[in-house]
Amino acid sequence: KNQVEQSPQSLIILEGKNCTLQCNYTVSPFSNLRWYKQDTGRGPVSLTIMTFSENTKSNGRYTATLDADTKQSSLHITASQLSDSASYICVVSLRSNDYKLSFGAGTTVTVRA
Amino acid sequence: DGGITQSPKYLFRKEGQNVTLSCEQNLNHDAMYWYRQDPGQGLRLIYYSQIVNDFQKGDIAEGYSVSREKKESFPLTVTSAQKNPTAFYLCASTLIITAMNTEAFFGQGTRLTVV
Repeated sequence: KNQVEQSPQSLIILEGKNCTLQCNYTVSPFSNLRWYKQDTGRGPVSLTIMTFSENTKSNGRYTATLDADTKQSSLHITASQLSDSASYICVVSLRSNDYKLSFGAGTTVTVRA
Repeated sequence: DGGITQSPKYLFRKEGQNVTLSCEQNLNHDAMYWYRQDPGQGLRLIYYSQIVNDFQKGDIAEGYSVSREKKESFPLTVTSAQKNPTAFYLCASTLIITAMNTEAFFGQGTRLTVV
C-alpha cells in the first residue's frame, strides 16, 4: 500500500477559481514534505518543502499547509491560470533516510478558460 | 545554466535489446537517483548513488544497471531482463543525501517504448 495518498485523482476548474489538493501520508518518522508540479512529459519542479515543524509555506499563488499530528497536507492554488494545468505530486521523506522519498500518485489539475 | 540533462527525450527499444539512458548534472550534487514513472502511480526508485563509484539498489532494481564513474554522470541501462520497460524515466540529484531540507532537482525525463 502506498504510504502517500493524494486526492482527488483529478479535477477540472475554471480559470480564476481556487482549488485545494489533499495529501495524506503514513510515512514515519517524518522528515519533510514537498509538493512538486509536473507538466505533461516533463520532470517535476519543486513548489514547496516543509519540515515537520512548519505549518504553512507559500510560493506565489501556491500555499501548502501541513498538520504533522494528523499526517495531512494540502496545496491551495489561488486564482488559477491556464498554466497551472499539470500534475501535482506530494512527496514525503523519512527522517533518517532523506534519499528515501515516498511519492504520491499525483493529482491532475486541468484549468479551463 | 545549472541543471540536470537527460537524453534522449524519446527512446525505442526492440525486444532483447539493452539501451542506455543518459543523465548529466552540473550542479555539483553528491547524490543522484533514477526513478520510473508509470501512469497512475507514484515515482519508484530504481537505483541511487551517494558518491562516485558507489551505488545502491532501490525498490525496483531488477533488470536495470547503473554506473557512477564521474560525479556529474549517472547513466541507466535497461537490460533485456527488464520485462516491462515501457515507462517514463526520471533522473534526479540532491546536494547532500542526508540533509533534512535537501532539494531534489529532476531532469526532463526519457520516455522509453518497447517496439
